[in-house]
Amino acid sequence: NAGVTQTPKFQVLKTGQSMTLQCAQDMNHNSMYWYRQDPGMGLRLIYYSASEGTTDKGEVPNGYNVSRLNKREFSLRLESAAPSQTSVYFCASSRDRGMDEQFFGPGTRLTVL
Amino acid sequence: GESVGLHLPTLSVQEGDNSIINCAYSNSASDYFIWYKQESGKGPQFIIDIRSNMDKRQGQRVTVLLNKTVKHLSLQIAATQPGDSAVYFCAEKRGTSYGKLTFGQGTILTVHP
Repeated sequence: NAGVTQTPKFQVLKTGQSMTLQCAQDMNHNSMYWYRQDPGMGLRLIYYSASEGTTDKGEVPNGYNVSRLNKREFSLRLESAAPSQTSVYFCASSRDRGMDEQFFGPGTRLTVL
Repeated sequence: GESVGLHLPTLSVQEGDNSIINCAYSNSASDYFIWYKQESGKGPQFIIDIRSNMDKRQGQRVTVLLNKTVKHLSLQIAATQPGDSAVYFCAEKRGTSYGKLTFGQGTILTVHP
């Protein structure tokens, strides 16, 4: 099993460009999450999907949209990238939305110029 | 405001010593806590979790202690090894915030041979 996979690993964008970060998990998990991690800070939740067909805002949703394409895949879209969105983005999944550990992908390092 | 935080941003130990990493939380409604380890360039990796109805839980070389009276969480690593060098995060789930973990800032653990 690959666990949680993310593409791309690195990306450089110019201000105003758009892009989609892809995430997939092969553990048959119901819940999936997108976090961002900035230097000196812990992870902050952007959006999450408790189950297929549902999505909800997290702590820092502004400037992002998500799509739960199916049970395996959860994508994060930046419609008009801003320098403040320079960060490392992590996708995670968990069996359910309750007291279950979250498994993280390797991350996407995004730089917006 | 409500937060999960760490007392020490860095911790340096000698190989073979025991390490203790601390975490404070402010919300008495928090009912689930997780410790994650993050190595450079990788996603967080689950170490151990504990529910609020417990005060101690042990894993392989790790022990998590929960003191609800003072809202304090600690991670003890026995016989610390160079491979334990990483950033350690505590995370909490608050009551009915289904699956939404709130992360602390992290502690950098450096193990010297």
